[in-house]
Amino acid sequence: KQEVTQIPAALSVPEGENLVLNCSFTDSAIYNLQWFRQDPGKGLTSLLLIQSSQREQTSGRLNASLDKSSGRSTLYIAASQPGDSATYLCAVLRTGNQFYFGTGTSLTVIP
Amino acid sequence: DGGITQSPKYLFRKEGQNVTLSCEQNLNHDAMYWYRQDPGQGLRLIYYSQIVNDFQKGDIAEGYSVSREKKESFPLTVTSAQKNPTAFYLCASTSRGSDTEAFFGQGTRLTVV
Repeated sequence: KQEVTQIPAALSVPEGENLVLNCSFTDSAIYNLQWFRQDPGKGLTSLLLIQSSQREQTSGRLNASLDKSSGRSTLYIAASQPGDSATYLCAVLRTGNQFYFGTGTSLTVIP
Repeated sequence: DGGITQSPKYLFRKEGQNVTLSCEQNLNHDAMYWYRQDPGQGLRLIYYSQIVNDFQKGDIAEGYSVSREKKESFPLTVTSAQKNPTAFYLCASTSRGSDTEAFFGQGTRLTVV
């Protein structure tokens, strides 16, 4: 069974710092990987989708990379802002349209 | 606006009651999912449906039931058999194919009183 791990579980950084969130998965046979943001008491908002044939995707200050062979993805956030404070989750899609989620990294950006 | 709508946002259930959570999407997506989220845990799959009139159990289906009579709708019933139903419930939908991107509703928080 696919297992998805996110490290660290929590992260606190000063405003303006660049940071990296990590996601690892045990089975490299994936269709794609998706990064989400979740604010307290809210649903998940899609940030970036990387297909299995791609190495990275960028959206504004966010850049996500994917290394299928090593079972890793990173989400890079440049010039962090207090509004970036949230929980970030990664999910991998496998056959049968089944998603497997990590437990998330809770990010706090201190003004 | 296209998206997924979950209702209600907050729901209270008495012991022994069945309650139904609504999930509607206007994205023309084939697949729909229900997840449960508990503090400190990842999302756990309850049920999913790839097509109308068909659905499959996820990892924690016991005490829950679903129906998929219309493409746009995938309601979840939390039955009295679910002994610990207090949680945050999330509905999602995706299109078919390997470039599938998942979209989520805003969630329903269910509390047993």
